[in-house]
Amino acid sequence: SQTIHQWPATLVQPVGSPLSLECTVEGTSNPNLYWYRQAAGRGLQLLFYSVGIGQISSEVPQNLSASRPQDRQFILSSKKLLLSDSGFYLCAWVGGQGNTIYFGEGSWLTVV
Amino acid sequence: AQSVTQPDIHITVSEGASLELRCNYSYGATPYLFWYVQSPGQGLQLLLKYFSGDTLVQGIKGFEAEFKRSQSSFNLRKPSVHWSDAAEYFCAVGATNFGNEKLTFGTGTRLTIIP
Repeated sequence: SQTIHQWPATLVQPVGSPLSLECTVEGTSNPNLYWYRQAAGRGLQLLFYSVGIGQISSEVPQNLSASRPQDRQFILSSKKLLLSDSGFYLCAWVGGQGNTIYFGEGSWLTVV
Repeated sequence: AQSVTQPDIHITVSEGASLELRCNYSYGATPYLFWYVQSPGQGLQLLLKYFSGDTLVQGIKGFEAEFKRSQSSFNLRKPSVHWSDAAEYFCAVGATNFGNEKLTFGTGTRLTIIP
């Protein structure tokens, strides 16, 4: 069966420091992959999606970037974090009937 | 562009009582509709989904939802809630013409269960 993992689960970083969140999917090939952010008291916002290696689409202008170096690996990065980057980040992939989106466990990022 | 409205930010229900969470969507074609649940500090778990066919869909944990095209609604229901149902619930709509790359979520409804 397919599984999705992301890490680290929690992260506290100072303003101006770099960021790297990693997501991997197992049990499938060439999945569509997504990064969502959930800020406190808000819904989910799509940040990036990828339909293949090296193919990244950005939904909103921001301080973050994404990369897909391997088929089942999706990385969310920043060179210099801002306080507003704090939030809950969710990796997701598409599979099953009707392209259902399945989410990872999430990563809590607190920028201090 | 598609959009989702969950008009209730917070709902409190007694354990054993029935539940209905509202969801209204805006989309020009036939949508894919989803309900997800998020327990505190966790990722999102799919409860149920509607693509086509029977407008009443059954999901996990005893939940069901009914798609009403005339009202652009996809309300989530459960006949008798359990304390473990306390969580945040998200309705989402996806496009049918190019998959769900543009899945759009509502802002969520927080469900509190009281004894």
